Amino acid sequence: DVKVTQSSRYLVKRTGEKVFLECVQDMDHENMFWYRQDPGLGLRLIYFSYDVKMKEKGDIPEGYSVSREKKERFSLILESASTNQTSMYLCASSPVERDTDTQYFGPGTRLTVL
Amino acid sequence: GNSVTQMEGPVTLSEEAFLTINCTYTATGYPSLFWYVQYPGEGLQLLLKATKADDKGSNKGFEATYRKETTSFHLEKGSVQVSDSAVYFCVMRGSNYKLTFGKGTLLTVNP
Repeated sequence: DVKVTQSSRYLVKRTGEKVFLECVQDMDHENMFWYRQDPGLGLRLIYFSYDVKMKEKGDIPEGYSVSREKKERFSLILESASTNQTSMYLCASSPVERDTDTQYFGPGTRLTVL
Repeated sequence: GNSVTQMEGPVTLSEEAFLTINCTYTATGYPSLFWYVQYPGEGLQLLLKATKADDKGSNKGFEATYRKETTSFHLEKGSVQVSDSAVYFCVMRGSNYKLTFGKGTLLTVNP
């Protein structure tokens, strides 16, 4: 079974802090994604990566950066956390094969910024 | 641009009732369509998918048919169970690896 793990289920930070959210997948997938999930808005893509050291902006990248130094690990960084970044953050991965386009999700990290 | 519109919830049903959650999409080309489900406290997981017109995806008693003429992919189940209580997302994949999500529909099934 594919497993996507996220470093924390719950996180509380203060405004202005630098925050790291870590995601690890164990299926050698090329693609990895970070989303945020907010009530009434569904999931919105922040960044994705299609290979090591490669990244592309999603729909809402402002205030975030990412790092992918190893294939299995994709980190989301909030350089200076703000209260409007309080949200559920979901990581996902998928293989690159054309006919296998399912994304596999981690359990999520609920971040609260005070 | 690509977009997905799904029925707003919440939806509350009694056990063994019939379920329909409507979903329509806007896309250029011929997208792949999915229903993902999120059980309480868990991440999203794929429920079913269809990759071309008239395909029917099915899993765990749920079904959805890709209707190109009405740009729809409605989710149905003939008899829901309490364990089906979850948030359901209609999702579209266009020409790249990016998924476009609907806003989600919360389903609660009462015994």
